[in-house]
Amino acid sequence: TQLLEQSPQFLSIQEGENLTVYCNSSSVFSSLQWYRQEPGEGPVLLVTVVTGGEVKKLKRLTFQFGDARKDSSLHITAAQPGDTGLYLCAGDYGGSQGNLIFGKGTKLSVKP
Amino acid sequence: DTGVSQDPRHKITKRGQNVTFRCDPISEHNRLYWYRQTLGQGPEFLTYFQNEAQLEKSRLLSDRFSAERPKGSFSTLEIQRTEQGDSAMYLCASSIQGLRDTQYFGPGTRLTVL
Repeated sequence: TQLLEQSPQFLSIQEGENLTVYCNSSSVFSSLQWYRQEPGEGPVLLVTVVTGGEVKKLKRLTFQFGDARKDSSLHITAAQPGDTGLYLCAGDYGGSQGNLIFGKGTKLSVKP
Repeated sequence: DTGVSQDPRHKITKRGQNVTFRCDPISEHNRLYWYRQTLGQGPEFLTYFQNEAQLEKSRLLSDRFSAERPKGSFSTLEIQRTEQGDSAMYLCASSIQGLRDTQYFGPGTRLTVL
């Protein structure tokens, strides 16, 4: 059974601080996706990473895919209250037709 | 906005009743997925369609659950004889086969079973 661990589970920071959240697995991903979810809403796709060592930037968000394609990180620079939400990583292990395995998420709170 | 839509957004029902949810995927997407999310957890896969064919079902999908996608467009998820443990957010996602299967989610249907 593939498991996807996210850390930390909760993170509360002040506006302007930097943060990094992590997503780890013992299995290799064929691709990995990061989503942000607000209470009562569905997950919104932020990025898909496919190639080991890949780095993608989305404004103040930087996503990195590990060389071995088993781990990923999301770094936010100068966090803002609007970044508050649940950050989910989801891995496609390539074994089935695209069924994603999700981590439990990192709940981020950015205080003004 | 032509994203994934779900209806209803919220459903409150009594234990033992049947409920049906609808999902309309992004129009050109041929793959459609159902997930369930409980409090403090990430979404868990339930089932998946490619066009009208249901190709995979999770062990989470008990015999009280049935999903259809009759014309390869919208899908319905029915839960019969609901139980309190069925209370969750039911999420639908769609994707295009071959596009690294990047999945786009709808807003979800929040089910509360009293």
